[in-house]
Amino acid sequence: QVQLVQSGAEVKKPGASVRVSCKTSGDTFIGNYMHWVRQAPGQGLEWMGRIFPNSGGTDYAAKFQGRVTMTRDTSTRTVYMELSSLTSDDTAIYYCARGPGYCSTTSCYSYYMGAWGKGTTVTVSS
Amino acid sequence: DIQVTQSPSTLSAAVGDSITITCRASQSISASLAWYQQRPGTPPKVLIYDASTLERGIPSRFSGSGSGTEFTLTIRSLQPEDFATYYCQQYERYSTFGQGTKVEVK
Repeated sequence: QVQLVQSGAEVKKPGASVRVSCKTSGDTFIGNYMHWVRQAPGQGLEWMGRIFPNSGGTDYAAKFQGRVTMTRDTSTRTVYMELSSLTSDDTAIYYCARGPGYCSTTSCYSYYMGAWGKGTTVTVSS
Repeated sequence: DIQVTQSPSTLSAAVGDSITITCRASQSISASLAWYQQRPGTPPKVLIYDASTLERGIPSRFSGSGSGTEFTLTIRSLQPEDFATYYCQQYERYSTFGQGTKVEVK
């Protein structure tokens, strides 16, 4: 059974960057997509982007383009999400989630998210 | 970008009721839709994917239907543990979540 273990809570000042990690265990790391989803206090779910651990290929939601970077370390089965130029609007719980997906020679496809981490609270405050 | 619109935003119901939540996509997404349940303080849990396929371990009182642009999640005989917030997610192109539907006790 897959487990996604996320790093601990963070408090950052406006303008800073934050990096959140998500370590997977119990199942295949390669061959599944890893997503990052955030949830501001009292709000809904917001998809930030995805990374395909096989290749390291990424796709980001337009809203976060230029501000988010997702990477992976296959040796430790860990994915990372770094968000820069933080403002108070970035205060949220950040989830990693895993789901099926694949890449052909021309396109990549991801599907639903079957396993989720417990979330990492990021607070941005001066 | 593909937008998904969920309705209603809040739904009041009693134990034993049957309820339906609707999700509409801004363009056809075939059957590329999942439904999630989120209880307070916990991450979302997938209930249904590919519009109508029940995730392993999910009770059969949950069902999904639809294709193209209109989808529904139905919960028959609502149980106390079903009072939660439900989200739809399209994955036809990247991913987008609906705004959520909170199911509360009437």
